[in-house]
Amino acid sequence: GAGVSQTPSNKVTEKGKYVELRCDPISGHTALYWYRQSLGQGPEFLIYFQGTGAADDSGLPNDRFFAVRPEGSVSTLKIQRTERGDSAVYLCASSLGGGDNNEQFFGPGTRLTVL
Amino acid sequence: DQQVKQNSPSLSVQEGRISILNCDYTNSMFDYFLWYKKYPAEGPTFLISISSIKDKNEDGRFTVFLNKSAKHLSLHIVPSQPGDSAVYFCAASPDSSYKLIFGSGTRLLVRP
Repeated sequence: GAGVSQTPSNKVTEKGKYVELRCDPISGHTALYWYRQSLGQGPEFLIYFQGTGAADDSGLPNDRFFAVRPEGSVSTLKIQRTERGDSAVYLCASSLGGGDNNEQFFGPGTRLTVL
Repeated sequence: DQQVKQNSPSLSVQEGRISILNCDYTNSMFDYFLWYKKYPAEGPTFLISISSIKDKNEDGRFTVFLNKSAKHLSLHIVPSQPGDSAVYFCAASPDSSYKLIFGSGTRLLVRP
């Protein structure tokens, strides 16, 4: 079956612009996660959705970052007033449920470059 | 403050030999540990996991060892194959929760 897909695969934008990154989880997966991976680092947790609601957004670095999942499937990560430090690979993952050792399946990521 | 550390950024091993990747953690509340493998331009893929109630878990060529007193885990790959060449991430989860905390990764190269 289809895995987690993310679009676009690459996004180049200018400092100060607004960007949206999309994630299509595996069908039937109720839990969805966003991570950010900077160069030379491991993925860093941003936000976790269980269904339509953000169960934990403690990893979002500041209020320029926001994510939605209005119908409990596709999610969009939104970044306002982008800064050069936002450049990273943004990874989305999904799992059947949340917690209790549910394996997280990752998408290929969106590479964001802020010039 | 890194809670999960992989101190070796790279490792090179001859095909057929054992690869040992190491990981240290600082938070004693972590109770579930995972290894992910990542190829270029792909997302991480789950490899193997271990619960804190165990000290060893084996799956084919891959074995993970957990030493809770030392807050250390390791991944053994034997025999190593060229297709194992990838970046390996160690991750930990507190209280069997959803949040994974990753190390910075170790790039493994298996030489033919």
